[in-house]
Parts: sequence; structure tokens; C-alpha cells
Amino acid sequence: GAGVSQSPRYKVAKRGQDVALRCDPISGHVSLFWYQQALGQGPEFLTYFQNEAQLDKSGLPSDRFFAERPEGSVSTLKIQRTQQEDSAVYLCASSKTTGGNTEAFFGQGTRLTVV
Amino acid sequence: AQSVTQPDIHITVSEGASLELRCNYSYGATPYLFWYVQSPGQGLQLLLKYFSGDTLVQGIKGFEAEFKRSQSSFNLRKPSVHWSDAAEYFCAVGAGNTGNQFYFGTGTSLTVIP
Repeated sequence: GAGVSQSPRYKVAKRGQDVALRCDPISGHVSLFWYQQALGQGPEFLTYFQNEAQLDKSGLPSDRFFAERPEGSVSTLKIQRTQQEDSAVYLCASSKTTGGNTEAFFGQGTRLTVV
Repeated sequence: AQSVTQPDIHITVSEGASLELRCNYSYGATPYLFWYVQSPGQGLQLLLKYFSGDTLVQGIKGFEAEFKRSQSSFNLRKPSVHWSDAAEYFCAVGAGNTGNQFYFGTGTSLTVIP
């Protein structure tokens, strides 16, 4: 597709359940980012991949959060033993190159609700 | 530490009126600055960006922003607002260990009244 695609768009999980969120970046984009956007807040950085290498995971809030991009394309964000505070919209973005001056293209996000 | 402040949580303007959304940043070096717009249920769309050079940058949908280093500001402006501009607006700075981590402000919600 032409843009960044995320699935599912909506996910309801029971507390304690594991979830997996998928991101299909724009084809050929080197950089991939995950952000967490709580209600009424701006997106907050979770992690960054350059191709298949996870270069920065400083934003992951706990060891229950895990992200991978094994072939340098599709990425999955996994949250284990979900908690209510994990409820948020999870945004994926990709960019063609690396560096802070590159435009990031965002997907529509996955809204996770933990009940 | 890098940070972005958007002092106005919510702004209401009349259609056809001018608009200015404020953004202040804190960053140790020359920042890469962005404005994104988010409509309900949609992803973030880039309006404009500043990397270097001319401090007045033009973006899509008639928006512009001016980088003022002395004020650490990057305010977004539009001379005449349209009803379709109602959305959430986010200012961001590109930074981080690898230079490509985006720090976002908390956003400004824009309401346009007829």
C-alpha cells in the first residue's frame, strides 16, 4: 500500500492478556518507530528500528513491552500481561532515511483498551 | 533534556479568521522542528518542517510557521481558517540518541465555528 498500515485498528484485551500489534511500513523505508499516545496527550516515543536493528528502546515503559522487526520490514509490538495503564493508541511511523531531519509517515494507529 | 510545550490546550476560532498556534521547544542544538495535524481516528499528517535555512517555512493547506531561535519558538499560522481545519495539532522536535526520535507536545485542539 501507499501508506503505513497498522492492524488491528481496535483491540480490547482483558487484563493479563498478551497482545500483538502489527505495523506494515512504507516499502523501502529504513526507519520505523513506535509511539504510545494516551488519551489527550501527544505521542510518546517507545522504540526505533533501523532496518532490522533495534537501535533505541529507551521509551519502552517496562519489560512487558517487546518489539521486533526481524526482516527489516513488518514490525510487531508485543505487550505481555496487559495492564489498564497500557490502554492507549499505539502509533507506528516509518521514514525513508535516518536522521532527525527526516519526515516520518504515521499509520492510523491501534487503539488498545484493557478491561 | 528535549521537550516541547504547547501552551494552548484548546483554541476556538471563527471560520475565516486568522490562527496562530504556539510552540516552544527546549533543545541543546539546532532543532529539527515539525508540525503535525491529527483528525479524529486518523494518523498524524505532516503540515510542515524546519531543518535549516529560511526561518519562515510554508506547508500544506495554507499553513506556515516561523522558527525564532531567540524565543525557542516555532509557531504555526494560517491567515484564514476553514472549517475543515478543525483537528488536533502537534508540534514536535526531532532529536534523540540517533537523531530521529520525535518529541511531541501535548497538542492543541482547534475548533472552528461558522
